[in-house]
Parts: sequence; C-alpha cells; structure tokens
Amino acid sequence: AQSVAQPEDQVNVAEGNPLTVKCTYSVSGNPYLFWYVQYPNRGLQFLLKYITGDNLVKGSYGFEAEFNKSQTSFHLKKPSALVSDSALYFCAVRAGYNNNDMRFGAGTRLTVKP
Amino acid sequence: DGGITQSPKYLFRKEGQNVTLSCEQNLNHDAMYWYRQDPGQGLRLIYYSQIVNDFQKGDIAEGYSVSREKKESFPLTVTSAQKNPTAFYLCASSIERGLTYEQYFGPGTRLTVT
Repeated sequence: AQSVAQPEDQVNVAEGNPLTVKCTYSVSGNPYLFWYVQYPNRGLQFLLKYITGDNLVKGSYGFEAEFNKSQTSFHLKKPSALVSDSALYFCAVRAGYNNNDMRFGAGTRLTVKP
Repeated sequence: DGGITQSPKYLFRKEGQNVTLSCEQNLNHDAMYWYRQDPGQGLRLIYYSQIVNDFQKGDIAEGYSVSREKKESFPLTVTSAQKNPTAFYLCASSIERGLTYEQYFGPGTRLTVT
C-alpha cells in the first residue's frame, strides 16, 4: 500500500524568505501526488497536483512542487513566504488510476514570522 | 471548500448516543469519502463510496456506518461502539476524467463526545 512521510512537524521561516515543506512517498506504480492546505477549523484546500507531465508543478497562491522520481519526493516550495501562508500543509499520494485509496501525511505546520 | 457542505460545524453529544453527520455535494461527483482527523495523525479514511448504494470500509470503519442513497449525500453515523469519537470529521468528493483526478473537501464537523 502507498504511504506518505512528512518528516517535519513544524517549519518556521521569516516573511520574504523562500520556504520548503518536505514530502516523500512510497507507492507501487505511477503516483498521483497532491498538496493541500488547512486553516484552523476548516476543510482542506487543494493547492496543486502531479499526475503526469512536467516535474515542476505550479499551483495556487504562488506555490510549486517538484516531482523527483529517483528520490521519491514531492517537496512544496514558494520563493517568498507571506505571513498569510501560515497553516497546516498535507501531502497525499494515490496509487494511480481508478484507485480510491488516497494516503495523507501527518501534516506540517508552517509558521511565517513577520 | 467548494460545493461540499457539512453540518453542523460543531456537534456535542453524550457518550452512548449515536450521532449522524451530514455531507452534501452539488459537484456531481461520483465518489465520496469520510475522513477522521486527529492532531499529529493526518487524515484517516473511514468509509468511501464510488457510486450510489455502494460503499467500502476504509482503515478505521469500526464504530461507524454510512449510507449512499443519493449521489449528492453521504451521511456518517458515529455509533456508541466507536471508542474514541471526539475528532474533526472531513467529508470529500472526487471526480476522475482520464488522467485528471480531483478531490475536494468540505469544511468539516468537529464532534465532541463527553
């Protein structure tokens, strides 16, 4: 079965600095990879996904992620962090087409300080 | 939170009572899901349904029940058999077209059982 690891519980960055939230995955076959963001007491909001094509995926709010097959990673990045980016971020993986088993990481809390 | 509604936002129950959480979607999505979120554990799948009148157990189905009588609705009942029901419950729906897969989440229901 597929799995996702988010090795950092917490990431702290200063406003204006670049940010990275790490994600590694394990799956048989071609992965479908996703990033979601969650604000307090809210549902998850979709940020971006990789299914096929270019390894660098651009998503909402200036976020991007790079699919690295050899390292089985899908790290989330943003060139310049905003205080409003502070939230809980989840990476998720799905094992290919017609598979309803989507696995989520434990989440990484991003704090951007002014 | 897209076209998925969950009600109520906060729910309080006494131990030993069954409680039903509502989830409705107007996205015309075929598949619907229930997840449970606990601090530091990410999301865990309770049940999912790919079509009307069909549903499958996820990783933590014990103590829960669902129905899917209509495409738009996927209510979750938390029974008295669930040992630790206090959690944040998230409903989601998804659609798949060719290589495109999208999963959207509702705003969540926070259940507190005392």
